[in-house]
Amino acid sequence: GDSVTQMEGPVTLSEEAFLTINCTYTATGYPSLFWYVQYPGEGLQLLLKATKADDKGSNKGFEATYRKETTSFHLEKGSVQVSDSAVYFCALSPNTGNQFYFGTGTSLTVIP
Amino acid sequence: GAGVSQSPSNKVTEKGKDVELRCDPISGHTALYWYRQSLGQGLEFLIYFQGNSAPDKSGLPSDRFSAERTGGSVSTLTIQRTQQEDSAVYLCASSSTLRASSTDTQYFGPGTRLTVL
Repeated sequence: GDSVTQMEGPVTLSEEAFLTINCTYTATGYPSLFWYVQYPGEGLQLLLKATKADDKGSNKGFEATYRKETTSFHLEKGSVQVSDSAVYFCALSPNTGNQFYFGTGTSLTVIP
Repeated sequence: GAGVSQSPSNKVTEKGKDVELRCDPISGHTALYWYRQSLGQGLEFLIYFQGNSAPDKSGLPSDRFSAERTGGSVSTLTIQRTQQEDSAVYLCASSSTLRASSTDTQYFGPGTRLTVL
């Protein structure tokens, strides 16, 4: 069945470091892919999305490219800030059915 | 405007008791989802409502779990005869999409943390 696998955390980086959080997926057909973020004490919110192969989603300096050949949607940011400390979830939405599939989340802590 | 709200924020109950969790979606959103997030796990889909259509209950883990959505708005998730393994954060999300598996954004509530002793 459809699923999402993301790298386990926690991840700790210094401010201005480069961030990569890996996400790979298994799906039939052509799903849509998402990154959600959960800041401390807040609910999940959409960070970015991509709906077809080679699309790049971007928001707040974060980027992720939908790679069908490697079934990946890795999240990247060139220079992280303390305010980026949060839990990041990769998610998949198949083109059929009603389910969304989420990864287990990766906790990121950015230290000054 | 107001976002998705859930109540209670925390619930502690004894094994075997029934619990009700409430979700108020964003006004006008036709789609509503319930998810469960257990410790160290990702979000597990439970149930999906879309307008007046029959809900998609394919994610409910057992017949002890049920959900209703009255008037196409507020939803209640009920867990009967709670077990310790039901302890988790229960999240509700709503969307304006007319079709599930769309690319439209889901807006999440803050969740209800359920602890079954």
